[in-house]
Amino acid sequence: DAGVIQSPRHEVTEMGQEVTLRCKPISGHDYLFWYRQTMMRGLELLIYFNNNVPIDDSGMPEDRFSAKMPNASFSTLKIQPSEPRDSAVYFCASRPGTYTDTQYFGPGTRLTVL
Amino acid sequence: GENVEQHPSTLSVQEGDSAVIKCTYSDSASNYFPWYKQELGKRPQLIIDIRSNVGEKKDQRIAVTLNKTAKHFSLHITETQPEDSAVYFCAASLVSGGSYIPTFGRGTSLIVHP
Repeated sequence: DAGVIQSPRHEVTEMGQEVTLRCKPISGHDYLFWYRQTMMRGLELLIYFNNNVPIDDSGMPEDRFSAKMPNASFSTLKIQPSEPRDSAVYFCASRPGTYTDTQYFGPGTRLTVL
Repeated sequence: GENVEQHPSTLSVQEGDSAVIKCTYSDSASNYFPWYKQELGKRPQLIIDIRSNVGEKKDQRIAVTLNKTAKHFSLHITETQPEDSAVYFCAASLVSGGSYIPTFGRGTSLIVHP
């Protein structure tokens, strides 16, 4: 199993540009989580999905952020327009629906907005 | 919602010493408490967890204790080794939509000096 896959691993963009981060969860996992990690705020939950349905997006900082999960094997987190304060590492994590509460994190996307 | 405080933010020890990281949480309904280890530049990975019906759990050199009355839990690492150097995150999990959703502490950077 390749684990959770995220792309790109690094993204450098200019303020105002649209950024799309991608995630492929572990096959068979029912839950998918998007996190943002910064030195100031630690690891913050942005949104999570259960069976492709968004359950709680209260952590999404602003309307500039949106997330979709069109099918069980793919999710995107989009920032439009991007701002320098969005610079962070964005992690995707997935989890089976039953028998364990362990979350499996992807390698992360390091986003730098200039 | 849940609020998790984690201390210290940085912990420096000599190889062979013990290390203790402490977390407090606010919502008495939380009943699942995982700990994740994040090595430099890598993804967070679960190292140990505890549920509210257990007061202590051990796995080789690491142990976690939970005091539900006081709403705090701790990670103990004995006989520390340089490879224990990492950032450690605690989390307190509430049931939401039928599943445990964690709120993470801000992390403790553990440095083990050879």
